[in-house]
Order: sequence, then structure tokens, then C-alpha cells
Amino acid sequence: AQTVTQSQPEMSVQEAETVTLSCTYDTSENNYYLFWYKQPPSRQMILVIRQEAYKQQNATENRFSVNFQKAAKSFSLKISDSQLGDTAMYFCAFMKRLNTGNQFYFGTGTSLTVIP
Amino acid sequence: DTAVSQTPKYLVTQMGNDKSIKCEQNLGHDTMYWYKQDSKKFLKIMFSYNNKELIINETVPNRFSPKSPDKAHLNLHINSLELGDSAVYFCASSHSQGRGNGYTFGSGTRLTVV
Repeated sequence: AQTVTQSQPEMSVQEAETVTLSCTYDTSENNYYLFWYKQPPSRQMILVIRQEAYKQQNATENRFSVNFQKAAKSFSLKISDSQLGDTAMYFCAFMKRLNTGNQFYFGTGTSLTVIP
Repeated sequence: DTAVSQTPKYLVTQMGNDKSIKCEQNLGHDTMYWYKQDSKKFLKIMFSYNNKELIINETVPNRFSPKSPDKAHLNLHINSLELGDSAVYFCASSHSQGRGNGYTFGSGTRLTVV
């Protein structure tokens, strides 16, 4: 079975600073996908960034980037130039493909607060 | 032109009632899901469904049942509501094939059982 661990229940960062959220996972799969989702107080789940396990290059989306270490099964999210709107719950997720659809495993989340 | 829409956004009801939450997606995805998010924000899969198979999380009480009239809809019916059913319920959809773009979520339905 796959598990996803986010060891930081809560974090805070000063506005304009950089913060890194950690995520580790456990799997015997070789081909899979990893995601970070953001859930602001509005409750909407928003995809932040995705990474394909077969790609060595770390994914980047504007101020968001990941450090993907496949051998270590680590997938951390770095947020640069933090903004107040980044305040949210962040979920790391592991996905494997099945014939009947994608199977997701979510971490327990990290609550990030950006301090003005 | 919302991609995954859920209705209602809020639902307050008494114990013992039967209620439904509707979900529709216009993304052409072939698989839809229901998740429950508890008070600690933990996301738990309840069902996944495509035109091939309904997969039920065995820990979900049989008071919960998904109903899919077509590929674009997956509604959630809950019978004999209990206090512990209070949570936020998310619908999501995805392609079972393709680039692995992950889920697109609805905005959630906050269910409160009193």
C-alpha cells in the first residue's frame, strides 16, 4: 500500500520569504505521479504543481517548485517570495494509474500561514 | 463554465434524514470520485466510478451510495444521516488515461447534521 507523509502539521513564513514543505511517500511502484494541492479558506482544492516520476527534472510553476528525490521518495514544495494569498492548507498526493481510474493517496496536510 | 460543480455548497439537516449531493463535470473525464474531508482536514476516498467499475472503499457505511446517471454525473446519496457524517464532501474527476493530470475537484459541500 502507498502512504504519503507530511511531517509538518503547521508552518509559518514571513511575506516575501521562502518556505519549504516536506513530503515523503512509500511505494513499490516505478511509474507514478506526485502532486501538491492547495486548499485556501475558501475550501476549493487547487492544483499547484505536478511531477511525473519518470522525469528527473524538477517541476516549476512560477514561484512554486519541487525537489523530487525518487530514490529517497521525497517530494518537497518550495514557495518563493511568499504572498498572503499563499496562506492555505497544502496537501501532497501520490497517484498511480489503474485501468479503472487514477488512485490517489493524500498526505494529512500542512497548514501554511504567511505573516505580513 | 465550472469544470466540476457540486450542489449544494452547504447542507444542514437533521439526524435520520436522507439527502443527496449532486456532482457534474464538463471536462469529458471518464472517472469520478467522492472524498470525505473530516474536521482534521484528512481526505478519505469514498468511491471511484467510471464506465467500467464502481470501486467502493470498504470502510464507507452502506448508508452512502453513489448514483451515476451518465458519465458526466456522480451523485452521492446518504440515508439515515448521523452526526458523524458531518464533514466536507468533495467530488472530483480525472482521465483514466493520458498524461496523468490528476484530479479536478469541485468546490465541496459542507454537510452539517444536527
